[in-house]
Amino acid sequence: KQEVTQIPAALSVPEGENLVLNCSFTDSAIYNLQWFRQDPGKGLTSLLLIQSSQREQTSGRLNASLDKSSGRSTLYIAASQPGDSATYLCAVTGAGSYQLTFGKGTKLSVIP
Amino acid sequence: SAVISQKPSRDICQRGTSLTIQCQVDSQVTMMFWYRQQPGQSLTLIATANQGSEATYESGFVIDKFPISRPNLTFSTLTVSNMSPEDSSIYLCSVVDRTRGNTIYFGEGSWLTVV
Repeated sequence: KQEVTQIPAALSVPEGENLVLNCSFTDSAIYNLQWFRQDPGKGLTSLLLIQSSQREQTSGRLNASLDKSSGRSTLYIAASQPGDSATYLCAVTGAGSYQLTFGKGTKLSVIP
Repeated sequence: SAVISQKPSRDICQRGTSLTIQCQVDSQVTMMFWYRQQPGQSLTLIATANQGSEATYESGFVIDKFPISRPNLTFSTLTVSNMSPEDSSIYLCSVVDRTRGNTIYFGEGSWLTVV
């Protein structure tokens, strides 16, 4: 059974700092890995999708990498802003499935 | 990206009652999913809803408690039946966008509190 772990569970940084969020998964036979953002009491916003054949994806100040063989992904946020404060969730789908297995998330606070 | 609208966004429900959540997508999608997020927890898949067939439920979720309808390719409903305080959660609808590398998108969620 796939398990997804996110470290750290919470992170507080001053505005402007670059930061890295970590995600690991136990079964390397994934189809896609997706990073989401969730604001309190809200739904999920898709940030980046990395297909299993890809190594990284970039969108603006966000860069996500995938090392499928080691079961790891990182989300890099450059020049953090208070508006980046949210919970970041990592999720994977298995081969032939669209069911997402989620980590518990990293709660990010960017202090002005 | 697919735009997903959920109703209600938030509700307070009495114990023992049922509530139906609606999910509307702005494009036709084959597969829709319903997830639950209990307070302080991550998301758990309830069921997969495909148009024209019965929903497929995950372990721990049953049709009598969470009946699902999928009348067409843009709409689905999830009913939470005979609610108890343990059903207080955010319920989220999601779809797969096959035009965007199978990116999965979520609605804004329906936050239910059972009192």
